[in-house]
Amino acid sequence: KQEVTQIPAALSVPEGENLVLNCSFTDSAIYNLQWFRQDPGKGLTSLLLIQSSQREQTSGRLNASLDKSSGRSTLYIAASQPGDSATYLCAVNGAGTASKLTFGTGTRLQVTL
Amino acid sequence: DVKVTQSSRYLVKRTGEKVFLECVQDMDHENMFWYRQDPGLGLRLIYFSYDVKMKEKGDIPEGYSVSREKKERFSLILESASTNQTSMYLCASSLSWDEQYFGPGTRLTVT
Repeated sequence: KQEVTQIPAALSVPEGENLVLNCSFTDSAIYNLQWFRQDPGKGLTSLLLIQSSQREQTSGRLNASLDKSSGRSTLYIAASQPGDSATYLCAVNGAGTASKLTFGTGTRLQVTL
Repeated sequence: DVKVTQSSRYLVKRTGEKVFLECVQDMDHENMFWYRQDPGLGLRLIYFSYDVKMKEKGDIPEGYSVSREKKERFSLILESASTNQTSMYLCASSLSWDEQYFGPGTRLTVT
């Protein structure tokens, strides 16, 4: 059974810092991996989707990488801002599981002034 | 832009009531999903549907049922609400195995 782990569970950084969030998964037979952002009490906002054949995806200040063979993905946030404060979730779409996502429990990020 | 809407942001129901949670998407997506999110447990899949009138159980289907009569609408039904079903419920949709898009969530409290 696929298990997804995110470390650290919480992170606090000063504004302007570059930071990396980590996601690891136990079964490398995945179709794709998705990173989400969730603000308190709200739904999930999709940030980046990486297909299993890709190594990385970029959107603005965000860059996500995927190393399928080692079961790892990272989300890099450049020049962090207070508005980046949220919980970040990664989810893997396992090959053969008909589009079902398995989620990690998230990293709660706080960017301070 | 894909839009997924859920019928209520907040809902308070009594134990034993029948509860309907509605989800609508406007992008002609084949797949629709219902998750619940609880502190410390993360998001867990309740049911999903890959076509009209087609459904499959997720990881925690007990106590729930679903209905998908039209492609754009996916309903989650709690036949007899219980306090352990107090949770945040999130609906999502996707085109095939592509990106999933989520609604704003419904926070359900069962008293």
